[in-house]
Amino acid sequence: SAVISQKPSRDICQRGTSLTIQCQVDSQVTMMFWYRQQPGQSLTLIATANQGSEATYESGFVIDKFPISRPNLTFSTLTVSNLSPEDSSIYLCSVVGQDVSYEQYFGPGTRLTVT
Amino acid sequence: AQSVTQLGSHVSVSEGALVLLRCNYSSSVPPYLFWYVQYPNQGLQLLLKYTSAATLVKGINGFEAEFKKSETSFHLTKPSAHMSDAAEYFCAVSLSSASKIIFGSGTRLSIRP
Repeated sequence: SAVISQKPSRDICQRGTSLTIQCQVDSQVTMMFWYRQQPGQSLTLIATANQGSEATYESGFVIDKFPISRPNLTFSTLTVSNLSPEDSSIYLCSVVGQDVSYEQYFGPGTRLTVT
Repeated sequence: AQSVTQLGSHVSVSEGALVLLRCNYSSSVPPYLFWYVQYPNQGLQLLLKYTSAATLVKGINGFEAEFKKSETSFHLTKPSAHMSDAAEYFCAVSLSSASKIIFGSGTRLSIRP
């Protein structure tokens, strides 16, 4: 299994600022994903972040708004830039475990409120 | 492209009654299918997954799901609902167990005493 921690767990930010979310995994993983869950909604994939390559963004998400870093096999950051109230969501990272089940594990999420 | 459709954004059943949450998928290749549960203010937890082995998949907390290719369905059931089952349930699909997961819109399950 993989244990994932995210920082911060929640934050309240002002419009126009940025928030960087950290995702730390207790083991080395190749594949990491960032998801957004808007209030009362399902999870939407933002991007896939593999170590050693540029993140791959899903339709509707751009690097200028959601820059991602993946410096090593246990860590990644997602920045949400130029915040607006519409960015108020829970942001989750997930990883694919390196055991035989290749199960995907989810972090606890970061709850962002933009005022 | 892959997608899942969850029928019913909200399902309410009595305690002890059968739980049935519906999910239909679309996939150009044999899919991997998942059911996740999210309790209020908590993270996602995997209930069960289908990975092309047995079509009837048993998960945690007494839940199970049956993969029906002819109906492109993967409905989640539990014979007897418990108050603790009240949560949001998400059906999801991926190309493999190690690729990105596409989630359905979710079904909120309420349990009546």
